[in-house]
Amino acid sequence: EVQLVETGGGLVQPGRSLKLSCVASGFTFNNYWMSWTRQAPGKGLEWVASITNSGGSTYYPDSVKGRFTISRDNAQNTLYLQMNSLRSEDTATYYCTRGSSLHYWGQGVMVTVSS
Amino acid sequence: DVVMTQTPPSLSVAIGQSVSISCKSSQSLVYSDGKTYLHWLLQSPGRSPKRLIYQVSNLGSGVPDRFSGTGSQKDFTLKISRVEAEDLGVYYCAQTTHFPFTFGSGTKLEIK
Repeated sequence: EVQLVETGGGLVQPGRSLKLSCVASGFTFNNYWMSWTRQAPGKGLEWVASITNSGGSTYYPDSVKGRFTISRDNAQNTLYLQMNSLRSEDTATYYCTRGSSLHYWGQGVMVTVSS
Repeated sequence: DVVMTQTPPSLSVAIGQSVSISCKSSQSLVYSDGKTYLHWLLQSPGRSPKRLIYQVSNLGSGVPDRFSGTGSQKDFTLKISRVEAEDLGVYYCAQTTHFPFTFGSGTKLEIK
């Protein structure tokens, strides 16, 4: 059974940093692209970042480019999202997803950016 | 960026009825490999999104065949035949052909 378990969320002040983790199980992790997608409270879905199987290429929307960094450790079956210079508009539930076709989603982790 | 226009924003339907949701993209979603990376997701209340249909018309594993997807290029439709109570939630279309990946604004399905 495919499982994606996100951790690392919480309350953080504007301008500070936070790092999310997603531990994957039930599939061969290094065979798949991985992504992060977020959902602000009561709002729709917004893609945040993607990374190729090997980690050699990464992709971001303009809203987070230069502030967020996606990475992975294929030996540990773990995906990361390093979030710097956080803003109030980054407040959201962050989901780890498998593949570029959004096949599997984790349960999500809440990030609140507030002073 | 590809804009995904999803309609209607909400639907109220009786059990057993059929419904359709439209999703139109601002540019063609056909990738250079010839495939179209348009997907449909359902977010049930309080849950993570779940992918129902991938690449326009392919049913996800375990998804009832009451769900079907059609369309091409820039115009896509999700149809739910014989709606059941468990189908309530918000439906999203999503494209992963072009970066940045983008989503429709969602269609909230309520049961009468």
